[in-house]
Amino acid sequence: GIQVEQSPPDLILQEGANSTLRCNFSDSVNNLQWFHQNPWGQLINLFYIPSGTKQNGRLSATTVATERYSLLYISSSQTTDSGVYFCAALYGNNRLAFGKGNQVVVIP
Amino acid sequence: NAGVTQTPKFQVLKTGQSMTLQCAQDMNHNSMYWYRQDPGMGLRLIYYSASEGTTDKGEVPNGYNVSRLNKREFSLRLESAAPSQTSVYFCASRMRVPGQGSSYNEQFFGPGTRLTVL
Repeated sequence: GIQVEQSPPDLILQEGANSTLRCNFSDSVNNLQWFHQNPWGQLINLFYIPSGTKQNGRLSATTVATERYSLLYISSSQTTDSGVYFCAALYGNNRLAFGKGNQVVVIP
Repeated sequence: NAGVTQTPKFQVLKTGQSMTLQCAQDMNHNSMYWYRQDPGMGLRLIYYSASEGTTDKGEVPNGYNVSRLNKREFSLRLESAAPSQTSVYFCASRMRVPGQGSSYNEQFFGPGTRLTVL
């Protein structure tokens, strides 16, 4: 199956800082999603982004499908941004392959 | 809409016991999935059901069975639980649109079931 790699694995941010999370995938994908898993374990959909750029508040994402990567930008980080960010690539007929996540801690 | 719901939220089993995790969605989605999440890892696909009446193995199917009861419900059964099955289990659903190339819609997740096998 497809391999999904995320970097950096761990990130500590001062509140107000900006950051970029990266997701590389090993093969062509039908689509790509970014999720935020909050400290209570809930998985929240952030972006559904096969290509191009999308923005939602302080978060934005860019996928360059031809180069097999996606980026998630967090601007002016807040403590509520803490948690694990996952990217997941949709491939084949119906399968979603997850990366191992980016653990983000935002300190006040 | 409740979205994707899972029961129970927590469960403790002894080795060898059996149980069924329940999942239901009210978004009229045709595809449903079961994942497990272990510490330090992303989610791994156990089984999925592309549409009512079909089920397929995912990445880690051993020790599990599934039933797509109807369009809304997809259950996961552990026939003889083992400590290696201690994990958090997530159910998800998606509206798959065949024949539309890359226009597959996003997947939505339930709140998870935390299972411990002693």
